[in-house]
Amino acid sequence: NAGVTQTPKFQVLKTGQSMTLQCAQDMNHNSMYWYRQDPGMGLRLIYYSASEGTTDKGEVPNGYNVSRLNKREFSLRLESAAPSQTSVYFCASSEGEDYEQYFGPGTRLTVT
Amino acid sequence: GENVEQHPSTLSVQEGDSAVIKCTYSDSASNYFPWYKQELGKGPQLIIDIRSNVGEKKDQRIAVTLNKTAKHFSLHITETQPEDSAVYFCAAKPMYQFYFGTGTSLTVIP
Repeated sequence: NAGVTQTPKFQVLKTGQSMTLQCAQDMNHNSMYWYRQDPGMGLRLIYYSASEGTTDKGEVPNGYNVSRLNKREFSLRLESAAPSQTSVYFCASSEGEDYEQYFGPGTRLTVT
Repeated sequence: GENVEQHPSTLSVQEGDSAVIKCTYSDSASNYFPWYKQELGKGPQLIIDIRSNVGEKKDQRIAVTLNKTAKHFSLHITETQPEDSAVYFCAAKPMYQFYFGTGTSLTVIP
């Protein structure tokens, strides 16, 4: 039982490059989330998926797209990376919207 | 949207002393208030949570209090130990998403 896994752990991109961050959970959770964490700003929600087949914007969705591939997997795509997207990205899952969220170990992304 | 403020941003206590972290929120629709602990290089982990129909909740050395009228909630850690050193985040949930505070870096001095 691995919980929430994220790949890659570290990534360096040049401005304008694209990449997809992968997230998978093995807890049969319905809801999944993508957050970014910046120094002094806490965690901010980028996108979430309340259930398989649905996705919704969070607080800071600009510059990102998501795909809920199936119940287990939720990916985050940066189409054209910008230095402002340098951050640590966390994926989380929960049984439902009113339940505890379980976080992955994070992906540290640097855009130069 | 919801605005969650968290204080202090850093806190140092002697081992065995108590630590208190406070959060305020703005949206009266918020009804779920979790607290997370984040160790260096790891993702946040839930340590305790409280719902709006409860005023206080305890779990061993950790307690959370909620004052809905004043829109604030607090984390209390008693008999602190060096392994309590971490960053702590509060959060509030009004409708569909969580809003997090900016974190408190707690250092417990042996």
